[in-house]
Amino acid sequence: EAGVTQFPSHSVIEKGQTVTLRCDPISGHDNLYWYRRVMGKEIKFLLHFVKESKQDESGMPNNRFLAERTGGTYSTLKVQPAELEDSGVYFCASSQDLGQGHEKLFFGSGTQLSVL
Amino acid sequence: SQKIEQNSEALNIQEGKTATLTCNYTNYSPAYLQWYRQDPGRGPVFLLLIRENEKEKRKERLKVTFDTTLKQSLFHITASQPADSATYLCALDTGRRALTFGSGTRLQVQP
Repeated sequence: EAGVTQFPSHSVIEKGQTVTLRCDPISGHDNLYWYRRVMGKEIKFLLHFVKESKQDESGMPNNRFLAERTGGTYSTLKVQPAELEDSGVYFCASSQDLGQGHEKLFFGSGTQLSVL
Repeated sequence: SQKIEQNSEALNIQEGKTATLTCNYTNYSPAYLQWYRQDPGRGPVFLLLIRENEKEKRKERLKVTFDTTLKQSLFHITASQPADSATYLCALDTGRRALTFGSGTRLQVQP
């Protein structure tokens, strides 16, 4: 079974440019999450989709970040315009809703974003 | 303020010994606590989940304890192997589904 895949694995852009990260969750997983780790800090939650709906976007840092999950399958996270402090590793995770109020997350390998 | 603390110093142990990692938290009321393993350049991999009303959970060589009075979880790896070398993350789930991660502890098992 394919795991969570993220593309690209690395992205180097200049301040002010736009970058779009993509995540393909495990097939059948309704829950999709975005997390990020900035330099020297812990992994922090950004937002949570259930199918195509945003369930919780309380972790989105500002309106330069836009996440979508059209059709409830893959998701994109766009940063426009990118700033230096956006540099870090962006992780996507997915999970299957088992109706237990919690589930284990399956993470992708992340996208290393460097804003110069 | 809310805080999760994991020992930021790397833990070095000899192969065959038991590794014990600590996760302390303040100002949280987690419904669940999860432990993940992360290798360089990879995403976290789920290991174990323990509920607030459970004291202990085991899986093969892994054991997790959860003390909501002390606000602490201990993660044990028995008969450690060099392949266990990685960063181990604890994560709190307050029931909102959004996990709050600690900064992780790097474990190095020497052959």
